[in-house]
Amino acid sequence: GENVEQHPSTLSVQEGDSAVIKCTYSDSASNYFPWYKQELGKGPQLIIDIRSNVGEKKDQRIAVTLNKTAKHFSLHITETQPEDSAVYFCAASSTDSWGKFQFGAGTQVVVTP
Amino acid sequence: KAGVTQTPRYLIKTRGQQVTLSCSPISGHRSVSWYQQTPGQGLQFLFEYFSETQRNKGNFPGRFSGRQFSNSRSEMNVSTLELGDSALYLCASSSAQGQTEAFFGQGTRLTVV
Repeated sequence: GENVEQHPSTLSVQEGDSAVIKCTYSDSASNYFPWYKQELGKGPQLIIDIRSNVGEKKDQRIAVTLNKTAKHFSLHITETQPEDSAVYFCAASSTDSWGKFQFGAGTQVVVTP
Repeated sequence: KAGVTQTPRYLIKTRGQQVTLSCSPISGHRSVSWYQQTPGQGLQFLFEYFSETQRNKGNFPGRFSGRQFSNSRSEMNVSTLELGDSALYLCASSSAQGQTEAFFGQGTRLTVV
């Protein structure tokens, strides 16, 4: 069945370093892959997404890559800042999923000054 | 443009009671999805509504139900509350079906005692 695995569960980085979070999915029909950032006491915030017809997408310090053959996608954050500290979730959905996203378990990112 | 609004933000209920949560999507968005977030199970899909019709449903018991009104606002109801229903309930709105961006509200924190 549908499943999204996310690694690592926690990630501690020094300010200015890069952070990488990896996800794998099992449903070959998945074609849309958003990433969300959730801060304490808030709802998940969409930070970047990628569709299956694209291999890479970048938005300032954030980039996402997708390998459809291997069924995995990754989030890259460069030049990390303390405000990047949060829980990050990857997700996958397909065209006929009618609003249903399969979420990874989340990665707690801590950026230390 | 206002974001997704969920009310109330916090609720405390007693076992056996029922509860109704409300979600107002972003103006112009017709799809509303509901998720339950717990530390143990992560983000789990409850159901999705589009134009007042439930198009998709997750694996939750019949005690969980929802509806959508003609103005796209949605409510979810949980009857005969159990301690395990304590969670953050999130709704997400998107403009159309399929692989489009979904934006989450801040959630309703339900505590069942």
